[in-house]
Parts: sequence; structure tokens; C-alpha cells
Amino acid sequence: AQSVSQHNHHVILSEAASLELGCNYSYGGTVNLFWYVQYPGQHLQLLLKYFSGDPLVKGIKGFEAEFIKSKFSFNLRKPSVQWSDTAEYFCAVNAFGGYGNKLVFGAGTILRVKS
Amino acid sequence: DTAVSQTPKYLVTQMGNDKSIKCEQNLGHDTMYWYKQDSKKFLKIMFSYNNKELIINETVPNRFSPKSPDKAHLNLHINSLELGDSAVYFCASSPAPGQANTEAFFGQGTRLTVV
Repeated sequence: AQSVSQHNHHVILSEAASLELGCNYSYGGTVNLFWYVQYPGQHLQLLLKYFSGDPLVKGIKGFEAEFIKSKFSFNLRKPSVQWSDTAEYFCAVNAFGGYGNKLVFGAGTILRVKS
Repeated sequence: DTAVSQTPKYLVTQMGNDKSIKCEQNLGHDTMYWYKQDSKKFLKIMFSYNNKELIINETVPNRFSPKSPDKAHLNLHINSLELGDSAVYFCASSPAPGQANTEAFFGQGTRLTVV
């Protein structure tokens, strides 16, 4: 069964610091990859997604992620975080091809940005 | 014109009660899901329906019964509520099962508290 691991559960940064959140998945087949963000008290929102093509994908709010197939990784990056980026970030994998799309989520990383 | 809407947003109830959470999507998607986010913020799929047919059932107690009257609605009924059922329940939808390059859209979540 596929699984997703996020390396850091809590990250605290100062504003303007650079961010990298690690995500690794275990699945040998073709995958779709996602990062979702959950702001305090709000629902899940899609930050960015990778389906195919250029392994460096850009999402909303200045976020980007790089798919490295050989490392089964899909790390999220932002060059300069803002206080408003304080949220929980979830990496997810959709190992399609079976009967039913099923997103498998990582445990989440809580990001707190200090102003 | 919310894409995926859930009601209620908050639900507080006593142990042993039966309750339902409703979900509706206006995206024309074929597939709908229920995810559970526990107290540790871990998100896990519970059920998936494609065009009113159950296609994923992830080892969920049979006190939980999803019902899909049509492909735009997927309700979750929970019998004999237990303290451990306290969580945030997210409804989601996506275009079709087992296909690549599709993303799921999430509702705002229902925070269920069993006392």
C-alpha cells in the first residue's frame, strides 16, 4: 500500500526565511502529487499539483515543489515566507490506476511564521 | 456558489446518539469521498462513491453508513456515536475514479464533538 511521510511535524520560521518541507512517498507506479494547505479554522485548499511534465511546479502564493522521481520525493519550497503562511501543510499522493482515486495524505507539517 | 458544501459545520452531540452529515457538490463530478481528520490532524479516507456506487470502504466501523441518493450528494450517517468519533470530517469530490490527472476538491469540514 502506498504511504506518504512528511519529515517535519512542526516548523517555526521568521518572516522572510526560506522554507522547504520534505515529502516522500512509497509507490512504484505512476502517481499524481499534491500539496494542500489548511489555514487555521479553514478547509483544505490545493496549493499545487504535479501530474506530468516539468518536475518543478509552481503553485499559488509563491510556493513551488519539485518532483524527484528517483528519490520518490515532492518537496515544497518558498523562498521567503510571510506571517500569513502560518498553516498546516499536507502532502498527498494519488496512486491512480486502481479502481477509485484515493488520496493518501502525509501526517502534515505545522508551519508557524513569526512576525 | 460553493463547489463542495457540507452541513453542519459544527456538531456537538452526546455519546450513543445518531447523527448525519450532509455533503453536496455542484461540480458535476462523478466521485465523492469522506475523509476523517483525527485529533492529531491525520487525514484518512473513509469511503468513496462513484455515481452512487460504493467503491472504497476503508475498514470503517459499520456504525458509519454513507448514503448517496445521487451523484451530487454523499451523506454520512453515524450510529451510536462514541467519544473516539470526535474529529473533523471532510467531504471531497473529483471527476472520475481511477483516472490520472484529476484533483479532489474539499468541503470546509464538519467538526464533530462527542461528549
